[in-house]
Amino acid sequence: AQTVTQSQPEMSVQEAETVTLSCTYDTSENNYYLFWYKQPPSRQMILVIRQEAYKQQNATENRFSVNFQKAAKSFSLKISDSQLGDTAMYFCAFVGSQGAQKLVFGQGTRLTINP
Amino acid sequence: EAGVAQSPRYKIIEKRQSVAFWCNPISGHATLYWYQQILGQGPKLLIQFQNNGVVDDSQLPKDRFSAERLKGVDSTLKIQPAKLEDSAVYLCASSSGLAGITGELFFGEGSRLTVL
Repeated sequence: AQTVTQSQPEMSVQEAETVTLSCTYDTSENNYYLFWYKQPPSRQMILVIRQEAYKQQNATENRFSVNFQKAAKSFSLKISDSQLGDTAMYFCAFVGSQGAQKLVFGQGTRLTINP
Repeated sequence: EAGVAQSPRYKIIEKRQSVAFWCNPISGHATLYWYQQILGQGPKLLIQFQNNGVVDDSQLPKDRFSAERLKGVDSTLKIQPAKLEDSAVYLCASSSGLAGITGELFFGEGSRLTVL
């Protein structure tokens, strides 16, 4: 079974700083997708960024980028020039390309951006 | 485009009572998911539908939880009887196809259940 681990329960940085959230996963599949989802306080979960395992190039979306290390099964999220609106729970998630293709989430990292 | 709709947003019940949650996915989305998110944890998949068929319900406590998606559109999740440990946010999500193909799930705002 696939597992996703986020080892940082909480992080806090000052506005405009850069922060990196860590995620590791375990799978025997070769083709899969990885995601970072953001869940602001009392608001719905939204997709931040996704990475396809067969693509070597790291995904970027404006201030958000990932460092995907397939051999190490590592998938970290970097937020540059952090803003107060980035305060949220961040979940790393995995979905395989076989079977039911269930989206499996990590435990989450609570990120606080301080003014 | 309307998002995933869920109701009720909040529900407080006593243990051994029953409760039902409703979800209407984004129009045209074939895949519907129910997740349970306990405070401080990541969402855990309870059940996944493809149209009106169950794709995965391996983590659904079938002695007390049931879910249906009769016409392949909206869905209902029921808990009967509720236990204290069922206190959680129940998230509904939908996608146009299986997550491994489409790569993105769209979530509702969730239904927060408190069992006293």
